[in-house]
Amino acid sequence: EAQVTQNPRYLITVTGKKLTVTCSQNMNHEYMSWYRQDPGLGLRQIYYSMNVEVTDKGDVPEGYKVSRKEKRNFPLILESPSPNQTSLYFCASSQTSGRTDTQYFGPGTRLTVL
Amino acid sequence: DAKTTQPNSMESNEEEPVHLPCNHSTISGTDYIHWYRQLPSQGPEYVIHGLTSNVNNRMASLAIAEDRKSSTLILHRATLRDAAVYYCILCNTGKLIFGQGTTLQVKP
Repeated sequence: EAQVTQNPRYLITVTGKKLTVTCSQNMNHEYMSWYRQDPGLGLRQIYYSMNVEVTDKGDVPEGYKVSRKEKRNFPLILESPSPNQTSLYFCASSQTSGRTDTQYFGPGTRLTVL
Repeated sequence: DAKTTQPNSMESNEEEPVHLPCNHSTISGTDYIHWYRQLPSQGPEYVIHGLTSNVNNRMASLAIAEDRKSSTLILHRATLRDAAVYYCILCNTGKLIFGQGTTLQVKP
């Protein structure tokens, strides 16, 4: 089954404790991205990757890092999480970054930073 | 990036058609109109997209105005499972810019 998976689905952590949220897709997609969703602000793009070893900032990249060493994986790294990073995170992938490409979203990771 | 305007919420009765409007008066000639929906506690999922002509798929139909300044997503027979937030998005690159969307309630 074609899908985007994220782990963990839920995470409660404390300020400053490094964490990684994994994202994996099995569709051989080139384009992957991370979004965060907050009440009243909607979904905003954090980082995206056009292909292996090619990443770039989205609209809200501060406090986040990403890497794309393999085509299927696109982890989101929070080196020193802060409470304002408490949010619902979604990973997405699509064949390319084209205007007609369908994006497939993961189930979401709900992160709470205390 | 061009913006879209959608009503905050709409209601429908089960098994009736639903027309979800979207205004995008600043659309450029190369923008595609995409619709995604987000069911409760899930990630967004693709519904349909189009450029100029009306489009149909198994989930919905997309009616695009001749001047492309507005579009309508049509669910032909709403079910309880269609209760979701529906996002109308103009897409010129891989980046999707989500607005607040329309929350659709479906009443049995």
